[in-house]
Amino acid sequence: AAGVIQSPRHLIKEKRETATLKCYPIPRHDTVYWYQQGPGQDPQFLISFYEKMQSDKGSIPDRFSAQQFSDYHSELNMSSLELGDSALYFCASSPGQGINTEAFFGQGTRLTVV
Amino acid sequence: AQKITQTQPGMFVQEKEAVTLDCTYDTSDPSYGLFWYKQPSSGEMIFLIYQGSYDQQNATEGRYSLNFQKARKSANLVISASQLGDSAMYFCAMRQRDDKIIFGKGTRLHILP
Repeated sequence: AAGVIQSPRHLIKEKRETATLKCYPIPRHDTVYWYQQGPGQDPQFLISFYEKMQSDKGSIPDRFSAQQFSDYHSELNMSSLELGDSALYFCASSPGQGINTEAFFGQGTRLTVV
Repeated sequence: AQKITQTQPGMFVQEKEAVTLDCTYDTSDPSYGLFWYKQPSSGEMIFLIYQGSYDQQNATEGRYSLNFQKARKSANLVISASQLGDSAMYFCAMRQRDDKIIFGKGTRLHILP
């Protein structure tokens, strides 16, 4: 079965550079979530989209922005990278916004800022 | 405010034994969904099982079952006949009407041969 695809799997950037992370949800899933997981931490919610519109926003820095495109894939853009942005970034997708729907995560993008 | 509590930071269990990972949650909303995810050392977040707040029966998926006690706001994960490959971090999570999924701090499970 198709899963959530994230690219790249690993990314190394220098401070003050920009990074773009991509997420391709499971086909027919119209809801996408982005999470940040620091070392030894639980995943923290950043932002979510439903039908290409932002549906909720968490602790996402102003330096980060995201969008969902017409084909439902999503991109997380990160500018002026800081050392503290080094983390595992997950995308998840689900079929709709209802509570009675499962949510599946991609394999994550491991971002290292040096 | 919604909250997930996992009180066991780490557990050691003998192979082939059953294991219960604890999870309690706090919410005032009658509608919510509960999830368990497994995160092995490779980092991916693997969906295990889901329970809706209105589901009458406990969810089961193969060796995984969710012991849902609504009145106690408890959603423990039970893994039967544990295997070495079950060694991982396990996260309990919840989604409410505002849609975002929040996670507990996780339990690191070690299966001993």
